[in-house]
Amino acid sequence: KNQVEQSPQSLIILEGKNCTLQCNYTVSPFSNLRWYKQDTGRGPVSLTIMTFSENTKSNGRYTATLDADTKQSSLHITASQLSDSASYICVVSVTWDSNYQLIWGAGTKLIIKP
Amino acid sequence: DTAVSQTPKYLVTQMGNDKSIKCEQNLGHDTMYWYKQDSKKFLKIMFSYNNKELIINETVPNRFSPKSPDKAHLNLHINSLELGDSAVYFCASSQGPRASTDTQYFGPGTRLTVL
Repeated sequence: KNQVEQSPQSLIILEGKNCTLQCNYTVSPFSNLRWYKQDTGRGPVSLTIMTFSENTKSNGRYTATLDADTKQSSLHITASQLSDSASYICVVSVTWDSNYQLIWGAGTKLIIKP
Repeated sequence: DTAVSQTPKYLVTQMGNDKSIKCEQNLGHDTMYWYKQDSKKFLKIMFSYNNKELIINETVPNRFSPKSPDKAHLNLHINSLELGDSAVYFCASSQGPRASTDTQYFGPGTRLTVL
């Protein structure tokens, strides 16, 4: 069964600290993995997308890693800011023939405290 | 400028009513989507239109009917609302028809509460 699991469910850290969010997936055949940031009351915004051959990608203070062998991805946030408070969602894409399916994780809710 | 907009932002209604949610994108994209985000925060795709043509129609009750008058608009009409329809509904758009590779841009969501 295609599944995406994220951990932790929620995380509270102090402003300025670093943190790492995890995403484990059991999907086949894997196409790519995307991280989204969803602010409260807003729609998700894409942060990074990685294909099978990419194992790291950065977007400012956000760095995503992908280990296709262990089927794990992480999102590392450096020097957190109050505006980083949001839910972070991992989405894995499965493609076969001309079809595709997006498997969404439930997200990690991150709270940055001053 | 708002890229993907939805109206209304909040919708509270009684069971059995019929309601519509409107979505507009000014990005010039060809493809639009409707998603439902339930209380567990999973997003589930409902429909996708490419150039006004339905290309994804997931297993959704036929009380839900999308309509795309042009490629910049995708509306969602819901008949005979049920308690289980309470959720946040997101509209999104992408340049191409494959959300697996094309970046999706989401609207702010419409929080539907059925009493």
